[in-house]
Amino acid sequence: DAGITQSPRHKVTETGTPVTLRCHQTENHRYMYWYRQDPGHGLRLIHYSYGVKDTDKGEVSDGYSVSRSKTEDFLLTLESATSSQTSVYFCAISEGATGMGPQHFGDGTRLSIL
Amino acid sequence: AQKVTQAQTEISVVEKEDVTLDCVYETRDTTYYLFWYKQPPSGELVFLIRRNSFDEQNEISGRYSWNFQKSTSSFNFTITASQVVDSAVYFCALSGSNTGNQFYFGTGTSLTVIP
Repeated sequence: DAGITQSPRHKVTETGTPVTLRCHQTENHRYMYWYRQDPGHGLRLIHYSYGVKDTDKGEVSDGYSVSRSKTEDFLLTLESATSSQTSVYFCAISEGATGMGPQHFGDGTRLSIL
Repeated sequence: AQKVTQAQTEISVVEKEDVTLDCVYETRDTTYYLFWYKQPPSGELVFLIRRNSFDEQNEISGRYSWNFQKSTSSFNFTITASQVVDSAVYFCALSGSNTGNQFYFGTGTSLTVIP
């Protein structure tokens, strides 16, 4: 168990509303990631963090922002949700100091935007 | 560019058959890592194996084995004597030393083991 908790686990909201997903880890890992999983696309990286206040964009970052003010928490925000952002969102950590270690995932957040 | 291709979208086998899941990757990095993950119907993602680019030895873990061949840029996964509990979506992934520690996942292979 990598000690990763995602909240909420499920959320339904309306187009245009802001949404924040939280990822919390208990093992002081340096690297944290947000992915979305959609049928036919596998997992695609949204943003990742390599330390407090250090973040970078992934493959599908448009429409998303992130923040990491503490080592243990990595927040993903949809400023104005759109139906195309309906997806399952996974948070992950990477073992080790380099970010090249195996990634371990939270249980996912199922987000529906109507 | 980094890319992982899992050409097999869905596979069905009868229990106790052997099955191989294919993974082909593209990278310009000389140092990189390859991974396999399992996602059962319950939805969680489970890490199975990591292999670095300098280690081409095959790996065996119980009924699971992995064949890494740099010459063909492949990292294939074989399940021997498949069981119903092996039914899942399997993802291959790649991480390279020059890609800012990003992981690139294939689109997954959905394996169904029929009892």
